[in-house]
Formats: sequence, C-alpha cells, structure tokens
Amino acid sequence: DAMVIQNPRYQVTQFGKPVTLSCSQTLNHNVMYWYQQKSSQAPKLLFHYYDKDFNNEADTPDNFQSRRPNTSFCFLDIRSPGLGDAAMYLCATSRPRGALSPDTQYFGPGTRLTVL
Amino acid sequence: DQQVKQNSPSLSVQEGRISILNCDYTNSMFDYFLWYKKYPAEGPTFLISISSIKDKNEDGRFTVFLNKSAKHLSLHIVPSQPGDSAVYFCAASFRDNNNDMRFGAGTRLTVKP
Repeated sequence: DAMVIQNPRYQVTQFGKPVTLSCSQTLNHNVMYWYQQKSSQAPKLLFHYYDKDFNNEADTPDNFQSRRPNTSFCFLDIRSPGLGDAAMYLCATSRPRGALSPDTQYFGPGTRLTVL
Repeated sequence: DQQVKQNSPSLSVQEGRISILNCDYTNSMFDYFLWYKKYPAEGPTFLISISSIKDKNEDGRFTVFLNKSAKHLSLHIVPSQPGDSAVYFCAASFRDNNNDMRFGAGTRLTVKP
C-alpha cells in the first residue's frame, strides 16, 4: 500500500543533543511537510518542500532544519533540542491539484519526541 | 495566531444519534475547508472538504455545512457509529497557496454503543 512512513515512532533525546527524525513516502508526491503538534494543540506547520524548493514558516525556530535528498525522503533535524521541543512531529505529503481543488494531505503516524 | 478554532475539546454521543462537530475561523480569505479524522497511533486522514463557494457537501453519513457570514463550519455524522470515535481536526487552506493549511486543535468524539 502507498503510504507515509515515519521512523522512529518514539524518540528520546537529551537536552541539547541533536536528533533527526525521518519520513519516507511511496506516493510519489511533490510536496512534503513537517508539522509539530503539542498536546491538545493544533498541528503547526514548520516547513515544507515543493519538490526541491524549501519553504520555511516565518516563526519556525532556527533550531529546526530539514533536508530532502530525493522525492521519497525528508528529514527533520533538531540541532539543540530544548524541553519545549517535546511534541509529536507529523510528516505529510500532497500532490498539487491546481487552484480548483484543495490539496489533500496524507499524514504519517508521527514521531513522539521526548526531551530529557 | 489561531485562525481555525475548535472550541469543544470533546463530544460524547450515543450510537445511532447525530454527531455535530463545530469549527470557527477568523480569516475570510480561506478558500477550502477540510475535516481530518485521527485514530490513536495513526496520522490524520482526510475525511471530507468543502469549497468556500458552497454551503454544503455530503458524502455518505458525513455532511459538512459552511456558513461564511458567521465564519463557521460544522461536520454532521449521522447515524454515528462506535467506529467513528476519533479526534476530528478542522482545517482551512487558500486557493493561491494550497500548501498553507491551518488546523484547529481537534475535537475528540466518543460514540457510545
């Protein structure tokens, strides 16, 4: 089945220790997104790639970086995690449908990050 | 800046009855509104959408209503089934920037047998 896969599902890291979360997709979608979702809050878009073009949200901290080496994979790097970065991180993909329809996003199951 | 709001964190409904989930938004420029459903340990999955030029869209047991003047939309599920128990997220996006989707915080629906 075509899908969005996130590894690992649970990640524990220490305060200040760099961590990388990964996302892969078999849908061959152009766009890949990273969201941060804290408990009982709305998913918040961090950035997205449209093919190789990187689009950063204005309020995404510099501590968060992303890489997309190819269509299938996208990584979220947190350079120096703080306690406030503990959250669920959701990866999503979409294929542009043009201006007449919304782009439906397909989500992975998420990676829950704990910062000790 | 929370442009999409779901003010009810939870809702409990008896099986067979109607579930009504509500969503309010502040940005009148939104062109599309979507509902996503999320089961535990899974990512959100797309359920139904509506364009801002419509006021109703129906898909089986699910109907979304849009009231542009009130900046309000709702998702009706009838009849509700225990398998509908999940977290429902309301989302909104723009025609010119489809990648910029704003989500609400979600409403946890419990359908009791």
